Amino acid sequence: QKEVEQNSGPLSVPEGAIASLNCTYSDRVSQSFFWYRQYSGKSPELIMSIYSNGDKEDGRFTAQLNKASQYVSLLIRDSQPSDSATYLCAVNVQSSASKIIFGSGTRLSIRP
Amino acid sequence: NAGVTQTPKFRILKIGQSMTLQCTQDMNHNYMYWYRQDPGMGLKLIYYSVGAGITDKGEVPNGYNVSRSTTEDFPLRLELAAPSQTSVYFCASSPTPGPKNIQYFGAGTRLSVL
Repeated sequence: QKEVEQNSGPLSVPEGAIASLNCTYSDRVSQSFFWYRQYSGKSPELIMSIYSNGDKEDGRFTAQLNKASQYVSLLIRDSQPSDSATYLCAVNVQSSASKIIFGSGTRLSIRP
Repeated sequence: NAGVTQTPKFRILKIGQSMTLQCTQDMNHNYMYWYRQDPGMGLKLIYYSVGAGITDKGEVPNGYNVSRSTTEDFPLRLELAAPSQTSVYFCASSPTPGPKNIQYFGAGTRLSVL
């Protein structure tokens, strides 16, 4: 079982709709969860981080964490063409706060 | 505003050659990371460091070596390049572990081994 799993996509969403990206992780002691956005040919940049169960909102982005189900998601409201990118889920693993593992990423395409 | 600087940006190696990928950060971060990203894939952790003199293996350390003699620099060494090491390499740094371990990435080094 991979430590961090994401659907590779591509996920195609119409402009203005809600995009929902999902991530599951295997290490039950993981405490820190991150979503990074990566445009083609560029380096990853942080979108959201979440540490506690529940929802965390920042503008059009909402991160959701369910530690019991080992599941973290990212919702993007009012999707824009500029949101078209690969979204990477990252988690700390093996009781190490500093060891961060990434999923394989989900490609998101916003169609006009 | 340099942040994390990686050199070179591009490199072509022949099989069996060696090289060092340079990474330096000017943010006084203790934590530094090396990842590789194969086409269409996520990032795989190669090595990481929690401070000068301390390094640890990640998911895919075979074929690589690192050192951390200063807080600023975290070079990645390839001793005997193989085609399987063709990838984009990202260096990242972070100010703190735990829930606020936000990583800042360099622009990447694109390496081809032929």
